[in-house]
Amino acid sequence: QVQLVQSGPEVKKPGASVKVSCKASGYTFTTYGIGWVRQAPGQGLEWMGWISAYNGNTNYAQNFQGRVTMTTDTSTSTAYMELRSLRSDDTAIYYCARGLIMSSNWYVEDAFDIWGQGTMVTVSS
Amino acid sequence: QSVLTQPPSVSGAPGQRVTVSCTGSSSNIGAPYDVHWYQQLPGTAPKLLIYGNSNRPSGVPDRFSGSRSGTSASLAITGLQAEDEADYYCQSYDSSLSGYVFGTGTKVTVL
Repeated sequence: QVQLVQSGPEVKKPGASVKVSCKASGYTFTTYGIGWVRQAPGQGLEWMGWISAYNGNTNYAQNFQGRVTMTTDTSTSTAYMELRSLRSDDTAIYYCARGLIMSSNWYVEDAFDIWGQGTMVTVSS
Repeated sequence: QSVLTQPPSVSGAPGQRVTVSCTGSSSNIGAPYDVHWYQQLPGTAPKLLIYGNSNRPSGVPDRFSGSRSGTSASLAITGLQAEDEADYYCQSYDSSLSGYVFGTGTKVTVL
């Protein structure tokens, strides 16, 4: 079945970096984009960015530009999200999610139809 | 601070109809860009409920329906069931932010 499986929980100190992985299976990885969304404890959903699994093109949310890097490894059907200069308010569950529309380019009216289970990232000194 | 505003909570008795609103502006819903809805059960990842304003993915009961009008969108749940108790989020694209935006979220409680 189609699924996204994310890496395990992380605990980081302020100022450090974290890299979360998202391994896809059950479909052709390069035919859909991958988005990243985070959710702070007790809070709502926040979109972080999108990457084309076909050509690696990215679109980052303004709030994260300069601090986030999204990449893919097509040989292992895995997407990665690295967030740098971590602060305590980066403590959140980080989700990867597949775009609904089969496309190599960013489709601004896309939705997310398959979600990973989430990765808890805790930033604490 | 999200640009899509939802009521914090909505409640109804089993079998009743409830609606969740999502209010935006001319740079997102009113542009018009498509609205999508997600259901998030406690402790789980969001699940796509409605896409393209009013379309249901395979497996989503027809008790759930969506609509868009002007700068707002709505999610309706008819024949409310205990298993519908969850958080619901709308999502759209915002041209001013050049990115996706989610609504503030609504907790639906079944009385």
